[in-house]
Amino acid sequence: DVKVTQSSRYLVKRTGEKVFLECVQDMDHENMFWYRQDPGLGLRLIYFSYDVKMKEKGDIPEGYSVSREKKERFSLILESASTNQTSMYLCASSLSGGRAFFGQGTRLTVV
Amino acid sequence: TQLLEQSPQFLSIQEGENLTVYCNSSSVFSSLQWYRQEPGEGPVLLVTVVTGGEVKKLKRLTFQFGDARKDSSLHITAAQPGDTGLYLCAGDSSGNTPLVFGKGTRLSVIA
Repeated sequence: DVKVTQSSRYLVKRTGEKVFLECVQDMDHENMFWYRQDPGLGLRLIYFSYDVKMKEKGDIPEGYSVSREKKERFSLILESASTNQTSMYLCASSLSGGRAFFGQGTRLTVV
Repeated sequence: TQLLEQSPQFLSIQEGENLTVYCNSSSVFSSLQWYRQEPGEGPVLLVTVVTGGEVKKLKRLTFQFGDARKDSSLHITAAQPGDTGLYLCAGDSSGNTPLVFGKGTRLSVIA
């Protein structure tokens, strides 16, 4: 069964901490994406990557960075967590022009 | 910037009723995808429509792609409590660009 796995379902971090969210896919997909999901705002694209060591900014990249050292792994980094980054974070992968496969999500709370 | 407008944002209905969710844009898409998301999980693909005017059925769910490939609808017949969830439409512009997501329709079917 194809899978996108996010490292944590729930995380609680303190303001100012550096936070790493990890995502691994086992489908050999070129494309990987990070979204955040907030009530009333829908899914908003943070960063995406179409290849190893490649990254593109999405609609809301401020306060975030990403790393893609291997094809199967795409990491989202919050350099200095703030309370307005409390959200549900979703990772997805896809082939070019294909359906997106999502992970189960990480609910991050910054206190 | 391409936008997908979904309506209604919220829908609460009794078991057995019919409903329609709409997804509209001023942009043309090469395909339109519909996802369902249950609480605490990532979205899961229901269907992809590709051809203008295409109609696809998935049990009690009927999906239609507009002739001009700018809009789509999801019709549920005789809704069941198991249909409860967040329904998201997503447009694919082709080429190597990320999907454009609507903000979603939160459906609650009451027994």
